[in-house]
Amino acid sequence: GAGVSQTPSNKVTEKGKYVELRCDPISGHTALYWYRQSLGQGPEFLIYFQGTGAADDSGLPNDRFFAVRPEGSVSTLKIQRTERGDSAVYLCASSQGAGNTGELFFGEGSRLTVL
Amino acid sequence: DQQVKQNSPSLSVQEGRISILNCDYTNSMFDYFLWYKKYPAEGPTFLISISSIKDKNEDGRFTVFLNKSAKHLSLHIVPSQPGDSAVYFCAASAVSGTYKYIFGTGTRLKVLA
Repeated sequence: GAGVSQTPSNKVTEKGKYVELRCDPISGHTALYWYRQSLGQGPEFLIYFQGTGAADDSGLPNDRFFAVRPEGSVSTLKIQRTERGDSAVYLCASSQGAGNTGELFFGEGSRLTVL
Repeated sequence: DQQVKQNSPSLSVQEGRISILNCDYTNSMFDYFLWYKKYPAEGPTFLISISSIKDKNEDGRFTVFLNKSAKHLSLHIVPSQPGDSAVYFCAASAVSGTYKYIFGTGTRLKVLA
């Protein structure tokens, strides 16, 4: 498809488990962002990739969270030892250039529920 | 520390009237601002943006106003339509900064038919 694709759309897991969330950005977009949206809140920045490298990972809450983008296209957000507080919608977005003067195109999100 | 604030969690407006959504920011380094609209179970979609070199940007029924001295921006929708009912987020970034967009908490707009 032409838009940002995220899988899975829904993930239910148990506390302590490992989770991977995948993002397939718009073809040709070099910038890729991960955001987390909790209930009643706005999207919270997690990490930004420019190409293959993480240009800014200052939003990752702790070392249980990690993201990769090995070939500069698809990205995977990895969460180890999940906690109930990790439950949220994880949004991926991409943009054409060096991010912050252009619009972000968002996917529909991956809803993570940690029981 | 909420750098981008939307102090009205919800707003109801009659169809055909003007909707005004407000956003305040605290970081004086922010110089690019965007508004996003979000429907349930969908990702946010871009609506309109404004650079700090301007104080107004208009696109059809949507106009964004920026008051840099007050660190305040607003989105005007006129005339409002029932299809405009959604959650609206403002976002800000610093061109000379680290490229991350900071979002507000959103305002839920309901346009009544």
